[in-house]
Amino acid sequence: AQKVTQAQTEISVVEKEDVTLDCVYETRDTTYYLFWYKQPPSGELVFLIRRNSFDEQNEISGRYSWNFQKSTSSFNFTITASQVVDSAVYFCALSEARKNTGNQFYFGTGTSLTVIP
Amino acid sequence: DGGITQSPKYLFRKEGQNVTLSCEQNLNHDAMYWYRQDPGQGLRLIYYSQIVNDFQKGDIAEGYSVSREKKESFPLTVTSAQKNPTAFYLCASSRGTSGGGISTDTQYFGPGTRLTVL
Repeated sequence: AQKVTQAQTEISVVEKEDVTLDCVYETRDTTYYLFWYKQPPSGELVFLIRRNSFDEQNEISGRYSWNFQKSTSSFNFTITASQVVDSAVYFCALSEARKNTGNQFYFGTGTSLTVIP
Repeated sequence: DGGITQSPKYLFRKEGQNVTLSCEQNLNHDAMYWYRQDPGQGLRLIYYSQIVNDFQKGDIAEGYSVSREKKESFPLTVTSAQKNPTAFYLCASSRGTSGGGISTDTQYFGPGTRLTVL
């Protein structure tokens, strides 16, 4: 079973629209970390955010915001007033801290966002 | 500037040849990783290293080899045994180790190497 599911493979929006990228994760651990990365056409993955499982406060950074809901195992990412430069593939990832078997790091399959001018 | 460098950016290989991809970091990170990305797909872990002179296989290690002789360097060799090596290869590093397995710290990535087999 997929540990991290990004059901939206491709999304297109017109510039200045808001867009939400969904991420659903699966874990039995109580301690874990969630991440979002951006991969622009150049290819390098750029780190956006890291959240731990004990902090459910939503976070805002400029036009970016993240909604973490443990009840639904979701960590969604919203871009407000999208711009062409936001066009990229976005990856959600999960890291589990396991004492006995070692830690694991899982990436979703990514959502390709195209912002149309 | 602190960061991760990968070279070359583009690499072409003939069938049957081994090639080595370079990854260097000056972030003073203990852990380093190699991922493979195929078009339209996510990242798959090839190898990772928590500390110098130690490394572990990831999910798709067959046909690849690595070494970790220095903290800042983690080269990946794609051998002729790798049947379908054409892909985008990403190197990453993270700060700490967590006493077994992969660190939960943030992984920072290099710009990648695009390997094409002719």
